[in-house]
Amino acid sequence: DIQMTQSPSSLSASVGDRVTVTCRASQSIGYFLNWYQQKPGKAPKLLIFAASSLQSGVPSRFSGSGSVTDFTLTINSLQPEDFATYYCQQSLKTPWTFGQGTNVDMK
Amino acid sequence: QVQLVESGGGVVKPGGSLRLSCAASGFIFNDYYMNWIRQAPGKGLEWISSIGSSDGPVDYADSVKGRFTISRDNSANSLYLQMNSLGAEDTAVYYCARVHSFGSTDSWGQGTLVTVSS
Repeated sequence: DIQMTQSPSSLSASVGDRVTVTCRASQSIGYFLNWYQQKPGKAPKLLIFAASSLQSGVPSRFSGSGSVTDFTLTINSLQPEDFATYYCQQSLKTPWTFGQGTNVDMK
Repeated sequence: QVQLVESGGGVVKPGGSLRLSCAASGFIFNDYYMNWIRQAPGKGLEWISSIGSSDGPVDYADSVKGRFTISRDNSANSLYLQMNSLGAEDTAVYYCARVHSFGSTDSWGQGTLVTVSS
């Protein structure tokens, strides 16, 4: 199975900050990397697919980059509604696996 | 708009069975692969099964292989998950989700909670 490792596991930030979350795959996954946001008690929401493609309706302050094994989710100018947990997921091959999550909370 | 509504969750004893359903609307159901993804309380996300657009192919995580069966009824716009031999480790919120480009999951249901407890 492909292991996905996110860092950090948690971070504290303020409104207006630039936030970066990284995700590393245990083997090459090309561009088959997706990012999700999840708020407590809610289903995850797709933010980025194919490493850098912004899902329809997602604010442009979210961006994704990377390929092969190393990927980054960036949130420019963090907004109050962005405090949440973020997950990466590889979809190159099953079992499709997720990172352990990164909790972004308020400093 | 796209809507996925799960049902069938509840409390079941260890070794028991449960069948989850997911009603889809707002899109052409038989055009899409579908997933079941679960989340144990306070834990991360785990993909457990997927099914192709025309009732196949199917795939399972090792953790559920041989115990769970995914199926769909395209005429009823519905997805199912038959769960047998349930154990405490299967306690989770189960999400029905639509597969999008590059294997991403762009639409999720609200989830249904399955609790395995004696």
